[in-house]
Amino acid sequence: QLQLQESGSGLVKPSQTLSLTCAVSGGSISRGGYSWTWIRQPPGKGLEWIGYIYHSGSTYYNPSLKSRVTISVDRSKNQFSLKLSSVTAADTAVYYCARGDEYDDYFDYWGQGTLVTVSS
Amino acid sequence: EIVLTQSPGTLSLSPGERATLSCGASQSVSSSFLAWYQQKPGQAPRLLIYGASSRAAGIPDRFSGSGSGTDFTLTISRLEPEDFAVYYCQQYGSSPWTFGQGTKVEIK
Repeated sequence: QLQLQESGSGLVKPSQTLSLTCAVSGGSISRGGYSWTWIRQPPGKGLEWIGYIYHSGSTYYNPSLKSRVTISVDRSKNQFSLKLSSVTAADTAVYYCARGDEYDDYFDYWGQGTLVTVSS
Repeated sequence: EIVLTQSPGTLSLSPGERATLSCGASQSVSSSFLAWYQQKPGQAPRLLIYGASSRAAGIPDRFSGSGSGTDFTLTISRLEPEDFAVYYCQQYGSSPWTFGQGTKVEIK
């Protein structure tokens, strides 16, 4: 059974960079076809797709965040990461990592989510 | 980007009743690339439906999806106690992928 687990700093100061990692177990991140995705949810609000990376290393980002987002993969550790720069209070959210299906971009496996608060 | 509008915002029903949730798109969703998710408090979303009408693995057959173009529906034929949650639609036909704002199904 595939499992995803987010980790990283739960508190980030304004203007700094948010960094999160998603560890994947029960399957190889290098297996072709799947996308490895970050999605966030501000408290009490809906879901926002941030971006994803394919096994090949190709990345696709939401245009609303593109100038601040970097997603990378570490195949040796079977994990992928998110960096979001110049954060503000509006970036406070639960951040989820998820897997996109092999053929289409719906999300079939999700991590439990991690709350990141932006505050001084 | 495609904006998804879900209605109603809240649906108050009793166990055993039928729930009908709607998801409208600001433009046509290509190839019915639409998914539905269920989210309970403090949990990650769970995939229910993909391709507008295909049930994900392990999803009971009381959940069904339909629709095409700009109008999609999630139907729960008979509500079980564990079905009271928030439901989101998501389109993956046109980047950026977007979600609706959610419909809360609450116990009446």
